[in-house]
Parts: sequence; C-alpha cells; structure tokens
Amino acid sequence: AQSVTQPDIHITVSEGASLELRCNYSYGATPYLFWYVQSPGQGLQLLLKYFSGDTLVQGIKGFEAEFKRSQSSFNLRKPSVHWSDAAEYFCAVGARAAGNKLTFGGGTRVLVKP
Amino acid sequence: DAGVIQSPRHEVTEMGQEVTLRCKPISGHNSLFWYRQTMMRGLELLIYFNNNVPIDDSGMPEDRFSAKMPNASFSTLKIQPSEPRDSAVYFCASRTGLNEKLFFGSGTQLSVL
Repeated sequence: AQSVTQPDIHITVSEGASLELRCNYSYGATPYLFWYVQSPGQGLQLLLKYFSGDTLVQGIKGFEAEFKRSQSSFNLRKPSVHWSDAAEYFCAVGARAAGNKLTFGGGTRVLVKP
Repeated sequence: DAGVIQSPRHEVTEMGQEVTLRCKPISGHNSLFWYRQTMMRGLELLIYFNNNVPIDDSGMPEDRFSAKMPNASFSTLKIQPSEPRDSAVYFCASRTGLNEKLFFGSGTQLSVL
C-alpha cells in the first residue's frame, strides 16, 4: 500500500526567505505525486503534480518540486516566500492503476514572519 | 463553473442523531471522493466513486458511515448514529479522469456534541 510522510508538522519562515517542505513516499513503483495547499477554511488547491518526464516540476504561485526516485522524495520549494504563502501544505501520492486514489501526508503548516 | 459544492457548510448535532452531508461535483467529472480531516489524523480518504460506482470504501471507519451516489451530480455521506469522535471537516472532491486535477469543495465542519 502507498503511504506519504511529511516529517515537518510546522515550519516558520521569514518573508522573503526560501522555503523547502519535505515529502517522502512509499510505493512499489513510480507513483503520481502531488502537492496541494490549503488556506484556512478552504478546500485544497493543487500546486503542482508529477507524472513522468522532467523530475523538476514547476507549479503555480512560484512553487517547484523535485522528484528524486533514489530518495523516494518529492520536496516542495519556493525561493522567496510571501506572507500569503502561510497555509497548510499536503503532499499526496497516487497509484498508477485504474481508479487510483490519492493518499495524503499529514500536512505541514507554514507560518510566515514579517 | 461553481466548483464542487458542499452543504451544509457547518453542522452541529447531538450524539446519536443522523447526519447527512451533501456534495455536488463539477459537471462532467466522473470521479468523486469523500475525505475527512482532523488534527489528529490529518486528511483521510473515506470512499471514492467512479461513474457513480463505489470503488474503494476501505477508509469508511465503521458501519455507521455510508455513502451514496445516485447520479452523476449528487452524492451523500451519512453518519447514523453520530458520535462526538466523528467531529471533523468533511471534504468532497471530484475530477474528470485518472491523472487529472482533484477539485475540492470548501468542506463541511461537523461538530457532534
């Protein structure tokens, strides 16, 4: 069965600083990988996804993520955070099979200091 | 497009009562998912449907939970009887196909007293 681990529950970063959120997955083959963001009181919004090809994926709002097969990781990065980036971020893995379901990590809450 | 619509937005009920959460997926989407989010357990998949057929309900916690999708534009998640530990935010999400983006509703905040 697939699983996702986000080791950091909370991260505090200063506005303008860089941000990296860690995600490790467990799956028997190459999975589909996603990062979602959840703002307070809202549903989840897709930031980016990896299916195949270039292992560095660009997403919305200036985010990018890199798939590293050898490390079973899919870390999310942003070079310079804005106060509006304060939210909870979820990594998810989907199986490459019919009717695939997404399994989410526990989430990382990002706080942005002025 | 109105997006995925969930109702009610908030539900407060007493233990033992029946609770019904509703979801209208985006028109044309053929997969629908029900998730539950709590601080302790994070986001958990409860059940999902493809073309109105339940595919995987292994995440449904117990027999008190049931979900239906009578047609492509409507789904319900029912809890009967409800218990305080069911208090959570319940999200519905839909998508068009296997590799496509999942669109989430705003969620239903359920409080069981």
